[in-house]
Amino acid sequence: GENVEQHPSTLSVQEGDSAVIKCTYSDSASNYFPWYKQELGKGPQLIIDIRSNVGEKKDQRIAVTLNKTAKHFSLHITETQPEDSAVYFCAAILEGGYQKVTFGIGTKLQVIP
Amino acid sequence: EAGVVQSPRYKIIEKKQPVAFWCNPISGHNTLYWYRQNLGQGPELLIRYENEEAVDDSQLPKDRFSAERLKGVDSTLKIQPAELGDSAVYLCASSLEGQGSGETQYFGPGTRLLVL
Repeated sequence: GENVEQHPSTLSVQEGDSAVIKCTYSDSASNYFPWYKQELGKGPQLIIDIRSNVGEKKDQRIAVTLNKTAKHFSLHITETQPEDSAVYFCAAILEGGYQKVTFGIGTKLQVIP
Repeated sequence: EAGVVQSPRYKIIEKKQPVAFWCNPISGHNTLYWYRQNLGQGPELLIRYENEEAVDDSQLPKDRFSAERLKGVDSTLKIQPAELGDSAVYLCASSLEGQGSGETQYFGPGTRLLVL
């Protein structure tokens, strides 16, 4: 089955700095890679996603890059703000037929004002 | 548009007691997921429904866990009897999918279960 590794597990940055979270996956058939943000006491919320036919996607201060050959993808947050503090999860999904979903372990991001 | 609704939000029970969680997905979403999230971990899929059919329950501990989605809308996840190790957050998610395509999963707030 799919195995998703995510690192770092915790990340502290100064407000205004950039944050990068990386994930690797094992199943080369996986073709959809969403990133979720989970605030305390809430369910995960999708913040950005990328499919295997695209190498990079950007939405304001967040961007995701995908390297299919190396089987890794990364989340980039620029100009971090205190409200970006949360736990971020990556996931690798095999679309087509029935989805197989595997989440990373999560990265706790702390943005220091 | 209302999001995924889950109840209760919190539940405290003693071990060996039964417990049930309820989920109402986003209107029109045909696919429903139940996940378990242990502290400091990512969500782990327990069961996935396409309409009323459970299409992936390989990770569901069937000796004590059961789920149903009788009319293909809302769903119930039950644990009987509960064990100490079942303490976790149980998340429900839904998506609108067709065969051969995938769509975004939207998560509910979760039910935080504590087994004493």
